[in-house]
Amino acid sequence: QKEVEQNSGPLSVPEGAIASLNCTYSDRVSQSFFWYRQYSGKSPELIMSIYSNGDKEDGRFTAQLNKASQYVSLLIRDSQPSDSATYLCALAGAGSYQLTFGKGTKLSVIP
Amino acid sequence: DADVTQTPRNRITKTGKRIMLECSQTKGHDRMYWYRQDPGLGLRLIYYSFDVKDINKGEISDGYSVSRQAQAKFSLSLESAIPNQTALYFCATSGSRDGYTFGSGTRLTVV
Repeated sequence: QKEVEQNSGPLSVPEGAIASLNCTYSDRVSQSFFWYRQYSGKSPELIMSIYSNGDKEDGRFTAQLNKASQYVSLLIRDSQPSDSATYLCALAGAGSYQLTFGKGTKLSVIP
Repeated sequence: DADVTQTPRNRITKTGKRIMLECSQTKGHDRMYWYRQDPGLGLRLIYYSFDVKDINKGEISDGYSVSRQAQAKFSLSLESAIPNQTALYFCATSGSRDGYTFGSGTRLTVV
């Protein structure tokens, strides 16, 4: 049984700061990792995927993966009030497309 | 048009009524999923289907049934709705290792 752990928050950061969201997982054979952003009452939206150890950058977002430590994180640089949302970490095992989701971290960016 | 369409968007129904939530997709994905989301509990998998003839129960299938009418259509039914089935319901599809695409969700209230 895969488990995905996230701090539920809320995580509050001032506008312009770096927001750091963390996720740990229990299944060592997990291969694919995803970050989804979900605004209140809306559907999750994929913002980052990462498959290899190291960093992956896309605009203001950086995903970091450390499979040895079973840890994946999402950094949001120059945080904006529009980044205020719940961020869901998700992962899939080798050869599987089925995702296991964490319960999400609520981020609040204070103007 | 959206890649994954859910109908209805909102529904209020009475205890004991049968209700169907519908999902259709234009992405050509074989895999489709139904989740419910409750505050503090995250996304929980109800049923999933890998193709028209392959339907599987998720972690919380009791009280629910599904039908995969075609590759593009996957419906969720509540045979006799009860108040604790009040939740936000999401349909999702996947066809590769690149994560899920979610529908816009159905907010269901059982009174």
